[in-house]
Amino acid sequence: QSALTQPPSASGSPGQSVTISCTGTSSDVGGYNYVSWYQQHPGKAPKLMIYEVSKRPSGVPDRFSGSKSGNTASLTVSGLQAEDEADYYCSSYAGSNNPYVFGTGTKVTVL
Amino acid sequence: QLQLQESGPGLVKPSETLSLTCTVSGGSISSSSYYWGWIRQPPGKGLEWIGSIYYSGSTYYNPSLKSRVTISVDTSKNQFSLKLSSVTAADTAVYYCARLGVTIFGVVIAVDYWGQGTLVTVSS
Repeated sequence: QSALTQPPSASGSPGQSVTISCTGTSSDVGGYNYVSWYQQHPGKAPKLMIYEVSKRPSGVPDRFSGSKSGNTASLTVSGLQAEDEADYYCSSYAGSNNPYVFGTGTKVTVL
Repeated sequence: QLQLQESGPGLVKPSETLSLTCTVSGGSISSSSYYWGWIRQPPGKGLEWIGSIYYSGSTYYNPSLKSRVTISVDTSKNQFSLKLSSVTAADTAVYYCARLGVTIFGVVIAVDYWGQGTLVTVSS
């Protein structure tokens, strides 16, 4: 099972929006509505930001939103803030033989 | 508040077995709504799911590691453990234990709690 494909980097100025893509196959992203997104600051454990494609856990700002079309999921961060600068990973359920797969990760820089 | 804490050696010799334990506090490991799993991250690289276990003992492993991985659970101690055999330098990573929310059909929804992570270095 290959990792989901994300762009290595993305950037935006404070207040702008940035969108990160996550491309898989019909066996993972395209086959299930169980895509999640994680934010990871340097030296810290990842934090769940989005689950089931577009749902936000309690405490996650509504500036973070998720969507999916076909085999590609997306995370959009609106109104960028300095603290949004981090690595972001997508993940997806991928079937009973290999239940969980992560994306390659995207480093978001706030200019 | 649920907390997960990894413990185990930070240095393992090549060809030996890496062993880590995760202690869960603030909640029961015997919940039907969750798997308990291990995820690793080599220095400067991305996340890799290693495997998960249900409180009943059912296990699910990453096919690429399956031949070397064993995950077990001890509900009496609220702990679960990872063993990775025949390690090489490529197994050097931060190892996270985690809680994975699942549906009634065993579909993984997301990782909602993470331990702080522990760096394991494979070196002689």
